[in-house]
Amino acid sequence: TQLLEQSPQFLSIQEGENLTVYCNSSSVFSSLQWYRQEPGEGPVLLVTVVTGGEVKKLKRLTFQFGDARKDSSLHITAAQPGDTGLYLCAGTSGSRLTFGEGTQLTVNP
Amino acid sequence: ETGVTQTPRHLVMGMTNKKSLKCEQHLGHNAMYWYKQSAKKPLELMFVYSLEERVENNSVPSRFSPECPNSSHLFLHLHTLQPEDSALYLCASSQDGPGTGANVLTFGAGSRLTVL
Repeated sequence: TQLLEQSPQFLSIQEGENLTVYCNSSSVFSSLQWYRQEPGEGPVLLVTVVTGGEVKKLKRLTFQFGDARKDSSLHITAAQPGDTGLYLCAGTSGSRLTFGEGTQLTVNP
Repeated sequence: ETGVTQTPRHLVMGMTNKKSLKCEQHLGHNAMYWYKQSAKKPLELMFVYSLEERVENNSVPSRFSPECPNSSHLFLHLHTLQPEDSALYLCASSQDGPGTGANVLTFGAGSRLTVL
């Protein structure tokens, strides 16, 4: 069974702070996705990374795929209250998409 | 309407009721999914339909019965549920079925189910 472990599970920070969320596995994935889910909504895709060592930037969000394609990180610079939500990573291997438990981020004004 | 639409958004039912969740996608996608989202647990894949054929059924109890009449619509029929079935049920769609490309999903807003 493939597992994706996300850490931390909960994170509460002040506006303007930086943070990093981690997604780790012992399994290799052909690609990895990050989603954000806001209260009362479904997850929305933020990014897909497919190459080991790949780094993608989306405004203040920086995503990195590990060299061995077993882990990923999401770094947010100068967090804003609008970044509040549940961040989910999901890895693809063959026909299977495996989700992590998520990191609940709260950014306080 | 655009994207993936789920109805109802909230549902409260007794253990002996029969109800259905509906999902509609307006994206021209070929695959549709039902996921269960419970607190502190990863999203659990329940069913996958690709080109209207069920391609995956992850050992889901028979009290959950999916139906996919066409590539745009997906239903989840509910019968004699248990309180532990209370959760957010998410519908999703993807351009192609599992195993093709990065398998990017577009989710609906979910149906919050409470079983009394």
